[in-house]
Amino acid sequence: GAGVSQSPSNKVTEKGKDVELRCDPISGHTALYWYRQSLGQGLEFLIYFQGNSAPDKSGLPSDRFSAERTGGSVSTLTIQRTQQEDSAVYLCASSGMRTDTQYFGPGTRLTVL
Amino acid sequence: AQSVAQPEDQVNVAEGNPLTVKCTYSVSGNPYLFWYVQYPNRGLQFLLKYITGDNLVKGSYGFEAEFNKSQTSFHLKKPSALVSDSALYFCAVRDQGTGGFKTIFGAGTRLFVKA
Repeated sequence: GAGVSQSPSNKVTEKGKDVELRCDPISGHTALYWYRQSLGQGLEFLIYFQGNSAPDKSGLPSDRFSAERTGGSVSTLTIQRTQQEDSAVYLCASSGMRTDTQYFGPGTRLTVL
Repeated sequence: AQSVAQPEDQVNVAEGNPLTVKCTYSVSGNPYLFWYVQYPNRGLQFLLKYITGDNLVKGSYGFEAEFNKSQTSFHLKKPSALVSDSALYFCAVRDQGTGGFKTIFGAGTRLFVKA
């Protein structure tokens, strides 16, 4: 497909478990972003990757959150020891080198029981 | 650090009337400014952006926005609202001065257009 894809679309987990969320950006896009959208809230910046540069992790809310981008393409956001307040929709976006426009995936809805 | 404010949680407008969704920003350098829209049960979509040049930017679906540096604003406008414009609108800013790609989004404004 031509768009950004995310998996799973929905994830229900128990408090204390670890979860991994996956993002497949648009082919050739060098920048990849993760955001969190809580119910009734705006988008909260988490982290971005740009090419081979060190990622900007300044938005990660705690050390339970981490992200990797392998081979400059697919990215995984990992949340360890999930808490109920981690429940939200996690959005991934990518953009190309010559454009600032971000293209968003459909999101992963995470529910922590 | 950059920030964005959308002072209205909700905007109500009648179909056919002009609409404005407000956005103000704060950056240390020059801003890149964006509007995105989120329709019900659909992903975020790009509407328009200001990078440089003409202060009036035209985008998708008949929307436009005006960059006002003195007022640090980037309000979204449309001359004649449609019911189908009802959605959640986000303003976003990136600070050119930092040279980074970090983009901060506002809290969003829900637009209701009544028939």
